[in-house]
This record gives sequence, C-alpha cells and structure tokens, in this order.
Amino acid sequence: QVQLVESGGGVVQPGTSLRLSCAASGFTFSSYAMHWVRQAPGKGLEWVANIGYDGSKKYYADSVEDRFSVSRDNSKSTLYLQMNSLRAEDTAIYYCARVTYSGSYRVIDYWGQGTLVTVSS
Amino acid sequence: DIQLTQSPSFLSASVGDLVTITCRASQGVSSYLAWYQQKPGKAPKLLIYAASTLQGGVPSRFSGSGSGTEFTLTISSLQPEDLATYYCQQLNSYPRITFGQGTRLEIK
Repeated sequence: QVQLVESGGGVVQPGTSLRLSCAASGFTFSSYAMHWVRQAPGKGLEWVANIGYDGSKKYYADSVEDRFSVSRDNSKSTLYLQMNSLRAEDTAIYYCARVTYSGSYRVIDYWGQGTLVTVSS
Repeated sequence: DIQLTQSPSFLSASVGDLVTITCRASQGVSSYLAWYQQKPGKAPKLLIYAASTLQGGVPSRFSGSGSGTEFTLTISSLQPEDLATYYCQQLNSYPRITFGQGTRLEIK
C-alpha cells in the first residue's frame, strides 16, 4: 500500500536550516509529482512547494521562495525539503503528498503523517 | 492567487442531520476542486475530487457539487466519526494550489 513517511523535523533557532525527508513506498515514486504542504499549529493548510516526477520542474509559494528548496532522489524514492533562513512563522507540521491523475484531473490523494518543525529562540 | 472562502467556519450538528458546507472561489476554477477531511492529529484525507467524484473507500453519505465559483460538500446523514475539520482545495492554478480556511464540524 502507498506510504509516505516524513522525517527530519525538530526545534531550531531562527535563521538556521533544516532538511526534511519524505520516504515513499508502495508505488513507483519516479512516476509521480509531489507536494509539500504545511499546517501551522491550530491553523489551516498552506501549500509550500511542488516538484515534477523527474525533478525538472519546481514551484514554490511566495512565502518560502528563495529560502526553501525542494528536491528528490528517485533512486531512493525520497523527497526532500531544504529549509534555510528559518523564521518563527515557518513553525508548522510539514506534510508530503502525492499527485495522481484521474482522467484530466490532478488529484492529491495520499499524504504522509507529517513532521513538526518548530522555529524558536 | 485564487482565494477560497468556506462557510460556515464552525458547524455543530446532530447525528443523522444533513450537513452542508460551502466553498466559494474568488475566480472560476471549473471543476478543479477537491474536499478533504482532517481528524484531530491526523493528515488530511481525500473525500472528493473533480468537484463531485467520490474517492474510493469514502462512504456514500458524502457528496460534492458545483462548478465555477461555488461548491458544496454534503453529508447526508451525519455520523459520530465525521467529527473533523473539512477543507476545500482548488487545483485550477496547479501547481499553485490553495485551500479554504476550513470548517470545523462538531457533533452535538
């Protein structure tokens, strides 16, 4: 069955860096685009970044552009999010999620359980 | 950016009730709209995509409708396990997807 398992979260100080990982299993990872979505404590869902199936195309939310970088290693079935210059407002649970297709519709169907990033001095 | 506004933000209903949640888009999103259920402490779960297509394994009491700028999620007969926050999501501006602010559903 499809599984997405995030890791790498923790408590860090403002201005520092952190790299999140998302290990995928149960499907052919290299055939699927992926997203990162975050959720601040008690708040709603916010899209963070997207990467195409082969890593050639990447997109970012304005709030993280120039600070975060998404990448993937298809040989390891793993998605990454490199987060630099972290700010207090980046505190959130970070989810990775898979994109599939149903006819002409893109569908974000599977999500990981999330990893918590806390940015605090 | 396309903004999604859900109403109501909070809803309290009884078991067996018909529940309706609305999602309005700031501009047309065709049928590129999905609904998610998020239970406390859990990841979001896909309920409906393409505005009205039920995801496999989701109970048939859930249904979606609408197109363009106005969409509805309906629960035909509320069950205790439906306690959750519900989010709409637009994919018309993919990959720059956006979510509604959420509707918290409480069981009376």
